[in-house]
Amino acid sequence: GNSVTQMEGPVTLSEEAFLTINCTYTATGYPSLFWYVQYPGEGLQLLLKATKADDKGSNKGFEATYRKETTSFHLEKGSVQVSDSAVYFCALSGYSGGGADGLTFGKGTHLIIQP
Amino acid sequence: GAGVSQSPRYKVAKRGQDVALRCDPISGHVSLFWYQQALGQGPEFLTYFQNEAQLDKSGLPSDRFFAERPEGSVSTLKIQRTQQEDSAVYLCASSFSGRAIIDNEQFFGPGTRLTVL
Repeated sequence: GNSVTQMEGPVTLSEEAFLTINCTYTATGYPSLFWYVQYPGEGLQLLLKATKADDKGSNKGFEATYRKETTSFHLEKGSVQVSDSAVYFCALSGYSGGGADGLTFGKGTHLIIQP
Repeated sequence: GAGVSQSPRYKVAKRGQDVALRCDPISGHVSLFWYQQALGQGPEFLTYFQNEAQLDKSGLPSDRFFAERPEGSVSTLKIQRTQQEDSAVYLCASSFSGRAIIDNEQFFGPGTRLTVL
């Protein structure tokens, strides 16, 4: 079945630091890949997505590239802000048997940005 | 409102009680999903509707869990004879297109936090 593994947190950085949150996946076929973010007190929101190999998703200064050869979709941002403090979830969708219609999520990475 | 709404936001139940959780998806959205999120974990898929048809219920953990969407809009997740291990946040999500579109964005509600004592 499908699975997503992402680095465990919390990850604590200073403002303006470079961010990388690692995400690797296992899936059959050709999944689409997503990063969702959950700000304190809010629901999950789509941050960015990529639907095929070598696609780069980007939004709000965040980027992630779909790497089929390494089955990875690492999230990066060049200069983080305090307002980026949130929990980040890597996820995939695709058809591979049971649960194929829903997203498969990683456990989430809690990011804390200190001023 | 324009987003997905869920009610109640918080529910405390005694072990053995039945609970019903409601989801109002975005108007016009064909697909509706339920997820269960345990503390410190990512959401886990429970079930999927396309309009009123429940096309996938492979994630429901036991036959105590039941979901319906009778008119293809509002959905209810019912848990019978609740157990402590059912304590979690239950998330509802909707998307515009049907199951053929695997890159379709899902819009999530705020969730219902269920605590079973």
